[in-house]
Amino acid sequence: ETGVTQTPRHLVMGMTNKKSLKCEQHLGHNAMYWYKQSAKKPLELMFVYNFKEQTENNSVPSRFSPECPNSSHLFLHLHTLQPEDSALYLCASSPGNWRGNHEQYFGPGTRLTVT
Amino acid sequence: AQTVTQSQPEMSVQEAETVTLSCTYDTSESDYYLFWYKQPPSRQMILVIRQEAYKQQNATENRFSVNFQKAAKSFSLKISDSQLGDAAMYFCAYNTPSNEKLTFGTGTRLTIIP
Repeated sequence: ETGVTQTPRHLVMGMTNKKSLKCEQHLGHNAMYWYKQSAKKPLELMFVYNFKEQTENNSVPSRFSPECPNSSHLFLHLHTLQPEDSALYLCASSPGNWRGNHEQYFGPGTRLTVT
Repeated sequence: AQTVTQSQPEMSVQEAETVTLSCTYDTSESDYYLFWYKQPPSRQMILVIRQEAYKQQNATENRFSVNFQKAAKSFSLKISDSQLGDAAMYFCAYNTPSNEKLTFGTGTRLTIIP
């Protein structure tokens, strides 16, 4: 596997379910990100991790819980979601060494539908 | 706060023709980076081209080039010899050396007419 991978690609869940999204990067990067992409809205940054430490939580509701066990893996745990949380969730990574152009590499996304 | 504006929600171009997508941004920083990302219907966001603000020379990548006007805070993308595979959403984005967080525009949907 190369680049940034995300599983599952599609997820349908009820409002009372608990599920997790997984992201893995094979680029040797140290920073990882979760974005939410809804129709007709700019990409919304949700969380940033640098060297496994959360450096940003962009006022995300607590029903979204991130976890970064190491620099290669990032999870987004979901519980008690609302229909308006239906969106494409994108994971990205970047070098995270505070130098260079901070180019981010994206995964294919998980299309989440909350019923 | 930094903002990125893409004023063209949709654009279309005839195959083999040239099209220019607009992007403006607002920042008080003097050193920053600008990017164009492409998101085809398959959804994977791919970097098309990047520009360092300290470089006066416009970046080029094969059929893709930018017109970077720092004083005007403008960063347009030109696609030459448009191909069917260029059909996608195009996002302009910005960050700085001190903050890897990307600020995105709302995107431009590009349609290629055969």
